[in-house]
Amino acid sequence: EVQLVESGGGLVKPGGSLRLSCAASGFTFSSAWMTWIRLAPGRGLEWVGRSKSRTNGGTTDYGAPVKGRFTISRDDSKNTVYLQMDSLKTEDTALYYCTQGFCSGTTCHWDDAFNIWGQGTMVTVSS
Amino acid sequence: QSALTQPPSASGSPGQSVTISCTGTSSDVGGYNYVSWYQQHPGKAPKLMIYEVNKRPSGVPDRFSGSKSGNTASLTVSGLQAEDEADYYCGSYADPSSRGSLVVFGGGTKLTVL
Repeated sequence: EVQLVESGGGLVKPGGSLRLSCAASGFTFSSAWMTWIRLAPGRGLEWVGRSKSRTNGGTTDYGAPVKGRFTISRDDSKNTVYLQMDSLKTEDTALYYCTQGFCSGTTCHWDDAFNIWGQGTMVTVSS
Repeated sequence: QSALTQPPSASGSPGQSVTISCTGTSSDVGGYNYVSWYQQHPGKAPKLMIYEVNKRPSGVPDRFSGSKSGNTASLTVSGLQAEDEADYYCGSYADPSSRGSLVVFGGGTKLTVL
């Protein structure tokens, strides 16, 4: 069974740091592009960033609100992707989901259709 | 303020059809045929219902359909059922140089089955 399990959420003060983890199972993790998406109360979904597979360059991209503060990394030997969040702001308060797109035939939808989601981990930034 | 604009609420009676709109710009919805729709029940993770504007993943009922015209995409739910009551979000691939992000989403629409 394909599964993503996030952990590491919690309460942190503004300016603080937190690292989220997402453990994957049931698929070839090293070939997958992994994406973080957050859901903030009253603000809808927001794309946080994405890590390409090593075979596709292993690069990362981020949304403007988190660029320069958040870092995505991955450990293919542990089937785990991480989200390091620094200089946290109150507006980063959200439920953070680890997600994955999919491939259908020869077409992959890594960046436009997310069909595997974890249960989410809550991050609260408050003094 | 979400990048894509959705109505905050929509409703319909069982058996009826409801359409939810999602308005963006030429740098996202209008510029790419990569619009997706997600259903989220309370306490659950979002579920992909539509991708590439009008394609359904395996297992999604054909009561759910998607379309696009210009900068506006739409999700239509036909033959409404009680279990369709949920929040619905649209998403689109975007030009990061103008939208600041590779993917943008709407603020969500709460669908109520009367």
